Amino acid sequence: KAGVTQTPRYLIKTRGQQVTLSCSPISGHRSVSWYQQTPGQGLQFLFEYFSETQRNKGNFPGRFSGRQFSNSRSEMNVSTLELGDSALYLCASSSPDRDGYTFGSGTRLTVV
Amino acid sequence: GENVEQHPSTLSVQEGDSAVIKCTYSDSASNYFPWYKQELGKGPQLIIDIRSNVGEKKDQRIAVTLNKTAKHFSLHITETQPEDSAVYFCAASSGAGSYQLTFGKGTKLSVIP
Repeated sequence: KAGVTQTPRYLIKTRGQQVTLSCSPISGHRSVSWYQQTPGQGLQFLFEYFSETQRNKGNFPGRFSGRQFSNSRSEMNVSTLELGDSALYLCASSSPDRDGYTFGSGTRLTVV
Repeated sequence: GENVEQHPSTLSVQEGDSAVIKCTYSDSASNYFPWYKQELGKGPQLIIDIRSNVGEKKDQRIAVTLNKTAKHFSLHITETQPEDSAVYFCAASSGAGSYQLTFGKGTKLSVIP
């Protein structure tokens, strides 16, 4: 069974640009969540999508947005990139009949 | 909102010894407590979890205990092996059909052969 797939694995962007990250959940998983991981702040919740609807949102500015498609694949977008957005962005999917997330390997975003 | 404190931040043990990592949480509504292991270059991997209606759960060399009254939970790893070396995160969630997790800051465990 394929795991959670995130693309791309690495990304370098310039301040002010925007970026889109992609996540394909495990087949059959309808919930997709996004987390930002930095050395200083640790793992912080960005948002969760279920059946194409945002179910929860963390405490991040409006520059961070996401969406989910009918096949459960999800994208997150960060506009007007800042140096502080450099982080590992992790996507996780979960099944309605079993506790817990399965995380992908993440997208390492570097803003220069 | 929820706040999760985790300690220690680093832990070194000899191979074969036990390791204990402790977490406290603030929101009494939290009812789901997973533990994740993260190896270099990989995403966190769920290793064990516990719900608030259970006091202890075991899976081979790994166990988790929960004290709801004191709002703390712990991860116990027995007979540690070098492959247990990684960063471990605790987390808490109030559930209700959603897994918005609040994570601790992590514990870097080193198992010395």
